[in-house]
Parts: sequence; C-alpha cells; structure tokens
Amino acid sequence: DTAVSQTPKYLVTQMGNDKSIKCEQNLGHDTMYWYKQDSKKFLKIMFSYNNKELIINETVPNRFSPKSPDKAHLNLHINSLELGDSAVYFCASSQELQARWGTEAFFGQGTRLTVV
Amino acid sequence: GENVEQHPSTLSVQEGDSAVIKCTYSDSASNYFPWYKQELGKRPQLIIDIRSNVGEKKDQRIAVTLNKTAKHFSLHITETQPEDSAVYFCAACKTGNQFYFGTGTSLTVIP
Repeated sequence: DTAVSQTPKYLVTQMGNDKSIKCEQNLGHDTMYWYKQDSKKFLKIMFSYNNKELIINETVPNRFSPKSPDKAHLNLHINSLELGDSAVYFCASSQELQARWGTEAFFGQGTRLTVV
Repeated sequence: GENVEQHPSTLSVQEGDSAVIKCTYSDSASNYFPWYKQELGKRPQLIIDIRSNVGEKKDQRIAVTLNKTAKHFSLHITETQPEDSAVYFCAACKTGNQFYFGTGTSLTVIP
C-alpha cells in the first residue's frame, strides 16, 4: 500500500509544452503539498492545500497551478515549460492543521521533470 | 515566514564515529521539528522528530536536541554506519503544518 503516490515518475518534455503531475494519498490527510527539489537538493515548498483551500503559495510563477479535485488528490499543472523548471517535484501530505502540533509529512516518490 | 538554516552542507565521518548536524530557525511560533533522511534517488523519510515541549529525544543511535531559547536544534547520529550515508534535512513547522526545510546536509560515512 503506497501512502502517497505520484505519476509519472519521469517526465521528459520540450520547452513550451504544458504538463501535469498527479498525486494521490490514501492516508486520509487533510493537507497536501508540492515541493520542488533542484539540482542542489534544496527542498522548496510551492503549494499546500487544505480542504481545497490554498494556504501556502510561495513565490512560484503563475505558470504553475495546483488542482485539487478532492481531499485525496493534489495535481500540479505546469504551462509553457521552461528549461529552469527541470527538477524533481515531490508531493506530500500531512494531518489536519487544526492540531496543536505539526505532524509528519509523508512524501511521494518524486517526479523527475526534464525540460529539453 | 520561517527561515531555517542548516549546517554543515557536507559532512564526512569515519564509520563508528558520531555525526552532528545543526539547524536554526527564526519563527518562535514553530513547535514541531522533524528530521528527514533522503537516500539517493528516493523520497525524504522521517527519521526522528521533536516537539517544542521537549528538550531531547532519542531513538537508538539517533537523537535530537532542541534549544527553544536559542532557536536551534541538532541531530546526533552515533556509531555511524555506511547505510547512514544520505542527505539529511531539518524542518520547522508550526500549527497549520507549514513546513520549512533546511538546505540539507550530505553525510558520507567512510567504511
């Protein structure tokens, strides 16, 4: 049983194309995230969603947009791909933000995006 | 927002020695501090965490200490083994589950 799964694992595409990465979690978590990991291994948060509401939106280009059809899914859409978008993108989820304490975030296996 | 700094960026130790990784955070509202291990080509996975109402936590060879006053926390790995080689990330989180990660430490354990 994979707790957080994302597809595809690898994605190679040309500049200017539009692509999507899908993420699903079966943990019943209420918060889901997208992180970008660049070549230096930095993990930068891009978005988080709780109950279909965007609660974090770091300074990412508006070419990136998260889409959450339901609590278990948070997909990442990228328009007009650029060379600099090449990175590994991780989806993650964690428990409801109403708790007093933060809780563990579970990560998907990552999607390696290569823009050529 | 929160700013998490992590040092060192790379660390090499001999097998059996100890390794220490340090992080500082800026937001005093942060109350949960997880540590993640990421092996090459794999996802980050939680190895230990600590809440702000505790000063130290230990799990076998791994321990984490937290100094709320100074806003820093550290990961200690004793009796290192080659399989400990990986990238380690600290993170700070406050109510609302806004995770902010450090820049990572690449640990190499030399057999």
